[in-house]
Parts: sequence; C-alpha cells; structure tokens
Amino acid sequence: KNQVEQSPQSLIILEGKNCTLQCNYTVSPFSNLRWYKQDTGRGPVSLTIMTFSENTKSNGRYTATLDADTKQSSLHITASQLSDSASYICVVSAGVPTDSWGKLQFGAGTQVVVTP
Amino acid sequence: NAGVTQTPKFRILKIGQSMTLQCTQDMNHNYMYWYRQDPGMGLKLIYYSVGAGITDKGEVPNGYNVSRSTTEDFPLRLELAAPSQTSVYFCASSYDSAGRSNYGYTFGSGTRLTVV
Repeated sequence: KNQVEQSPQSLIILEGKNCTLQCNYTVSPFSNLRWYKQDTGRGPVSLTIMTFSENTKSNGRYTATLDADTKQSSLHITASQLSDSASYICVVSAGVPTDSWGKLQFGAGTQVVVTP
Repeated sequence: NAGVTQTPKFRILKIGQSMTLQCTQDMNHNYMYWYRQDPGMGLKLIYYSVGAGITDKGEVPNGYNVSRSTTEDFPLRLELAAPSQTSVYFCASSYDSAGRSNYGYTFGSGTRLTVV
C-alpha cells in the first residue's frame, strides 16, 4: 500500500479560480514533506518543503499546509493561471536527522488542468 | 545552466538489448538518484549514491546497474532490456540527504524508454 495518498486524482478548474489538493501519509518517522510541480515531459520542480514544526509555507501563489498530528497536507493554488496546468506531487521524507540516508516516498500526483 | 542533464531524451530498445542512460550534474552535489515513473504511480527509487565510489540499491533495482566514478556523473545501465522496463527515468541530485536536508532535489528532464 502506498504510504502517500493524494486526492483528487485529477481536476479541471477555470483560470482565475482557486483549488486545493490533498495529501495523506503514513510514513514514519516523518522528517519533511515536499510538494513538487511536474510539467508534462519535464522533471519535478520543488515548490515547498516543510519540516515537522512548520504549519504553512508559501511560494508565490502556492501555499502548503501541514498537520503532522493527522498526517495531512494540502496545497492551495490561488488565482490559477494556464501555466499551473501540471501534475502536483506530494513527497514525504522518512528518517531522522541523524540518518545518512532519508528515504523519499512519492505520491502518484494530482493532475491539474486550468482552462481559459 | 546549472542543473541535472540527462541523455538521451527518448529511446526505443528491442528486448534483450542493452543501453546506458547518462546523467551529469554541475552543482557539486554528493547525493544522486535514479527513479522510474510509471503511469499513475509515484516515482520509485532504482539506485542511489551518497558520493563518488558509493552506490546502493533502492526499491526496484532488478535489471539495472549503476556506477559513480566521479561526483558529477551517475550513469544507469540496462543490461537485458525487458518490456517491464518501459518507463520514464529521472535522475536527481541533492546537496544533502532527504532526511536531514531542507534542500529540494534537482531533477533532470527525464528519459522516455520503450522496450519492444
């Protein structure tokens, strides 16, 4: 069973509207949670990284939240643009700071399509 | 431009053929990784390296080999291509390990491999 579950699998939104993507995880021990944007035919690009003690982090029109108690994260996109059309991937890092190697667990992604 | 460079971008192999996917980075990152991405699935780790001369298996290493003779290069070798290896392959690098670091991974643009 995948330790990182994302929802919805896909969504279509009108340009200018907001949307929120969800990520639930069971990875333990938790080190940090990352959101990546992956354009079609490209590699993932980092949007935000949050540690256990951080509740929210923003990167322009992208705002990520983290509830480490419930093991949930969300990514909110404000005033969507056509260039936001992409797959958004939630990635959770397992491990403790003393580990020489922290393993990443990838969600399957949410495919976002922004229409004019 | 600094980053991770992968070659080739596309390749079609016949069953039983071999090939090497090239990956090089110019950011002096110690950590490098190979992932494969299958439709509807999260990225899966094939092999990783924590420095020149040091490599280790990830989640799905069967059918692949790697080497790390320099900090910059991390080639992935497929010896006997099988249809199950049809996938998109991403190379990535990072300054520090996923567990300790708040640094994001830098991904290459991917190699789309089809085995027929």
